[in-house]
Amino acid sequence: DAGVTQSPTHLIKTRGQQVTLRCSPKSGHDTVSWYQQALGQGPQFIFQYYEEEERQRGNFPDRFSGHQFPNYSSELNVNALLLGDSALYLCASSLGSLSSGANVLTFGAGSRLTVL
Amino acid sequence: GQQVMQIPQYQHVQEGEDFTTYCNSSTTLSNIQWYKQRPGGHPVFLIQLVKSGEVKKQKRLTFQFGEAKKNSSLHITATQTTDVGTYFCAGRGGNKLVFGAGTILRVKS
Repeated sequence: DAGVTQSPTHLIKTRGQQVTLRCSPKSGHDTVSWYQQALGQGPQFIFQYYEEEERQRGNFPDRFSGHQFPNYSSELNVNALLLGDSALYLCASSLGSLSSGANVLTFGAGSRLTVL
Repeated sequence: GQQVMQIPQYQHVQEGEDFTTYCNSSTTLSNIQWYKQRPGGHPVFLIQLVKSGEVKKQKRLTFQFGEAKKNSSLHITATQTTDVGTYFCAGRGGNKLVFGAGTILRVKS
């Protein structure tokens, strides 16, 4: 049973560039949430995708966008990268959207983004 | 907006000692979840508490949800080196799941 898989695991970009991170949810899950985790901090909610639509969004600028595909996989795109975007980007899958109640998140190993 | 605070930020204990981390929310929660993140790893779900005053145990770990559903605690009895990591609470208020900053636990053997 495949868990949540993310790619790439590590990447280095320069300021102003764009990046795309990918996530395949755990088998049987239909919802994908993206989190940003800075060093020494807790995961910060970016947004959630359910039924191929963005359902909820945290306090992140429009430079952060995403997509969910019919097979439930998802992408996170970040444009015009800033130094402060350096972080571990975690994808978490679950069954049902956040609004459906007490669903539990299964996290992937993350994509470590360094912006120089 | 909803805020979830955890204390302490960091704790270093001798193996065999107990450990407790506390989580406090600025708003009433519908439920609270706890996750553990090993060094270099990703958060892994431990447990979810839903009812006011609920207490759940997992071997040496005891989780409590406050009567007002605004606070929670995780207590580890007789810590082991395998307990090392960061423990996060995540509180659900409305449709949002907000993570605390975590408590880093280090265990000296």
